[in-house]
Amino acid sequence: GESVGLHLPTLSVQEGDNSIINCAYSNSASDYFIWYKQESGKGPQFIIDIRSNMDKRQGQRVTVLLNKTVKHLSLQIAATQPGDSAVYFCAEKSSGSGNTGKLIFGQGTTLQVKP
Amino acid sequence: KAGVTQTPRYLIKTRGQQVTLSCSPISGHRSVSWYQQTPGQGLQFLFEYFSETQRNKGNFPGRFSGRQFSNSRSEMNVSTLELGDSALYLCASRPHLDNEKLFFGSGTQLSVL
Repeated sequence: GESVGLHLPTLSVQEGDNSIINCAYSNSASDYFIWYKQESGKGPQFIIDIRSNMDKRQGQRVTVLLNKTVKHLSLQIAATQPGDSAVYFCAEKSSGSGNTGKLIFGQGTTLQVKP
Repeated sequence: KAGVTQTPRYLIKTRGQQVTLSCSPISGHRSVSWYQQTPGQGLQFLFEYFSETQRNKGNFPGRFSGRQFSNSRSEMNVSTLELGDSALYLCASRPHLDNEKLFFGSGTQLSVL
């Protein structure tokens, strides 16, 4: 069935280092992927998204990589800052679900940035 | 432009009661989706509304319902509350059905005692 999972529940990095958060998905029919950041007491905040016809997409300090062969998604954060500390979720949308607002979310990875 | 607004921010109810949560989408956004977030199950899709019509529904019992008004504002209702309904309820909006990116509100934290 559909499931999106992250490899590690918690990731601890030093301030200034690069962070890599991984996500595995099982639905090969998924055609859209998105990363969200959720800080304590707030709702998920959009970081970056990517469609299945792309392998890589870059934003400001963030890069998303998509490997459809092994159904793997990763979020790279350059020069991690204390403000990046949050829970990060990957989510997918199946091409079979049409233009629905239904996203399938992973369980989340908590990123801790040490000063 | 104001973000997605959800009210109330916190709610405490007892078992058997019902509750109504409100969501105002970003101005101009016509689609509203609702999600339930719990530590154990994560974020799970409840339903989506567009043009006052429910377009899709997740795997939740009929106690969970919603509606959307002509101004795109949405409400969700949970009847006969159970302890397991304690969760953060998140509302998300998007401009139209061709845009997959959801913009979330800060949620309503519901505690059922």
